[in-house]
Amino acid sequence: EVQLVQSGAEVKKPGDSLKISCKGSGYSFTSYWIGWVRQMPGKGLEWMGIIYPGDSDTRYSPPFQGQVTISADKSISTAYLQWSSLKASDSAIYYCARRGYDSGFYYLDFWGRGTQVTVSS
Amino acid sequence: QSVLTQPPSASGTPGQRVTISCSGSSSNIGSKTVNWYQQLPGTAPKLLMYRNNQRPSGVPDRFSGSKSGTSASLAISGLQSEDEADYYCAAWDDNLNVVFGGGTKLTVL
Repeated sequence: EVQLVQSGAEVKKPGDSLKISCKGSGYSFTSYWIGWVRQMPGKGLEWMGIIYPGDSDTRYSPPFQGQVTISADKSISTAYLQWSSLKASDSAIYYCARRGYDSGFYYLDFWGRGTQVTVSS
Repeated sequence: QSVLTQPPSASGTPGQRVTISCSGSSSNIGSKTVNWYQQLPGTAPKLLMYRNNQRPSGVPDRFSGSKSGTSASLAISGLQSEDEADYYCAAWDDNLNVVFGGGTKLTVL
C-alpha cells in the first residue's frame, strides 16, 4: 500500500527555521517525483515545487523560489520542505503528494495527511 | 488569482446532477490533460479524475469529467451528501509545475 507519512504539527516563532518531512512507503521512492502543496487557512491549493528523489532534481514554482528548500534523502525514503526564517504568512497546512503516471499522463495520486505549521510570536 | 478559473461555489439537492467548470488557456488546459481533486472537510485532497475523464479505482461512476478546448468540467450525478467538499481542477505546465483552479465549494442542500 502506497503511503506518504508527514511529520507532525509545528508551532514556531517568526525567524525560526523549520524542516518538515514526508516519508514514502509501499513503492519505489526513487522512481516518482514528490511535490509540495501549500494550503493557507480557508484558501485553495498552491503548488510549491517538486523533487525527484532518484537524483534530487528539484523544480520550484516561481512564487516559492528562494523562499523554501525542497530536498530528499533516498536512503530513508523521505522528502523535506524547509525554511530558514519563518514568517507569520508561512502559517498553513503543507501537503506532500506523489506524482503518479499512466501512459505519459501525470497526476498527484497519493497525498500525505498534511503538516500544520503555525508561526506566531 | 489562480491560473485556472472555477466558480467559488456550487450546490444541488440529493439526487441532482451538478457540474463544475474550469477555464484555462492554450498554455495549460488547451495543451495538457486536466486532473480533478476532491477535498472533504478537514482532510487532504484526493485524486478524483485524471487525464480529463479517467476515474481512479474506487471513485464512483457518478463522477465524470470532460474537456473541450481551454475548458474542462466535472459532473456529479445522483448527488449525495457525502459529495459535499471542495473540488479543484489542475493541470501540469512544461516546467513540472501544477496550476490549480481556485476551488469550488460544493454544498448539498
